[in-house]
Amino acid sequence: GAVVSQHPSWVICKSGTSVKIECRSLDFQATTMFWYRQFPKQSLMLMATSNEGSKATYEQGVEKDKFLINHASLTLSTLTVTSAHPEDSSFYICSILAGGPNEQFFGPGTRLTVL
Amino acid sequence: GNSVTQMEGPVTLSEEAFLTINCTYTATGYPSLFWYVQYPGEGLQLLLKATKADDKGSNKGFEATYRKETTSFHLEKGSVQVSDSAVYFCALRGGGSQGNLIFGKGTKLSVKP
Repeated sequence: GAVVSQHPSWVICKSGTSVKIECRSLDFQATTMFWYRQFPKQSLMLMATSNEGSKATYEQGVEKDKFLINHASLTLSTLTVTSAHPEDSSFYICSILAGGPNEQFFGPGTRLTVL
Repeated sequence: GNSVTQMEGPVTLSEEAFLTINCTYTATGYPSLFWYVQYPGEGLQLLLKATKADDKGSNKGFEATYRKETTSFHLEKGSVQVSDSAVYFCALRGGGSQGNLIFGKGTKLSVKP
């Protein structure tokens, strides 16, 4: 399957700062990427769908101005958490579609802690 | 809307025990169903999938059958190993959707030697 990396694997930041998380598709040109968020002992919740070269589609309740997604190339999507607050602390996971709607491959996730 | 409900863990078994993790779903149309596994410190990996009713997905000794009549996709393994210790997620993709998945809450499995 396709290999997906995320950077950083973990980050700690102060409240009010912005944090950028990168998601890279290492061996597949991904037109579509997804960003999920996972709170402790909770399920993964889809935040947004990102299509290369176009604006991301956000799920209901996800603030697009707070969670900026850029999918500028077929191998890179970034998620920027702007003006982070402690309630944004979570595990952020990206995935790509590689070969069809049932072929989704996940990155290892990024643990964000906002102090 | 679409949703997935799976049994809450944690589940603790001895090596070679039989495993069942229940998963039921609610969906319109004809969803595809998946089991993902997340080993400690790693990302989610697809374990198996089934795309239509009565299909059986299988991998690494794990099996799950797509039961439309009971809207279920229970995960089973006849003899678990310590290396199977992980968190298991049941998920569905709605028919016609772009690919985004709806996940259950996950079930943590611990296998003791």
